[in-house]
Amino acid sequence: DAGVIQSPRHEVTEMGQEVTLRCKPISGHNSLFWYRQTMMRGLELLIYFNNNVPIDDSGMPEDRFSAKMPNASFSTLKIQPSEPRDSAVYFCASSLAGLDEQFFGPGTRLTVL
Amino acid sequence: ELKVEQNPLFLSMQEGKNYTIYCNYSTTSDRLYWYRQDPGKSLESLFVLLSNGAVKQEGRLMASLDTKARLSTLHITAAVHDLSATYFCAVSSGAGSYQLTFGKGTKLSVIP
Repeated sequence: DAGVIQSPRHEVTEMGQEVTLRCKPISGHNSLFWYRQTMMRGLELLIYFNNNVPIDDSGMPEDRFSAKMPNASFSTLKIQPSEPRDSAVYFCASSLAGLDEQFFGPGTRLTVL
Repeated sequence: ELKVEQNPLFLSMQEGKNYTIYCNYSTTSDRLYWYRQDPGKSLESLFVLLSNGAVKQEGRLMASLDTKARLSTLHITAAVHDLSATYFCAVSSGAGSYQLTFGKGTKLSVIP
């Protein structure tokens, strides 16, 4: 198995631009998580899905952030408009139903200028 | 609300020495995970502890879980430089929950 796949691995954009991060979970996993990691705030859970349905989005910082999971093998996290304070590493993780162990993707390093 | 505390947050130790990282959590749970993160890399699963008294060992690292004390430890034996990384513990919120609550991480530096 290829593991959790994220793209792009690095993204540099200017303030105000739309950013879309992509994630492909491990095949067969039906829970998907989006995290943000910064030096200041550590690892934060933004949103998670179970069977493609958003279960808890309380960690989404504001309306500029949105996430979708149109099918079991694909999810997106969108930031529109982006701001410099959104600069962080964004991780996607997946897990198998009934099990908590999460497997993390390589992350997307986002820099907003 | 489940809270997870790790200590220490920073640890500098000499090669060959032993040390323990502690992970305390605030509510009942019997499912705890340890992850390792190398600089600039992702989180890699190290240990899965699923019951009271569980003990897992991999090389120079040993993890244990005491659910009654709500405490897990990660013991490092005869540290080597390759163990330098940030170690996170993560606790399940319980049956029916898919979430893990992560500690802030312990940044370990092993000095030759």
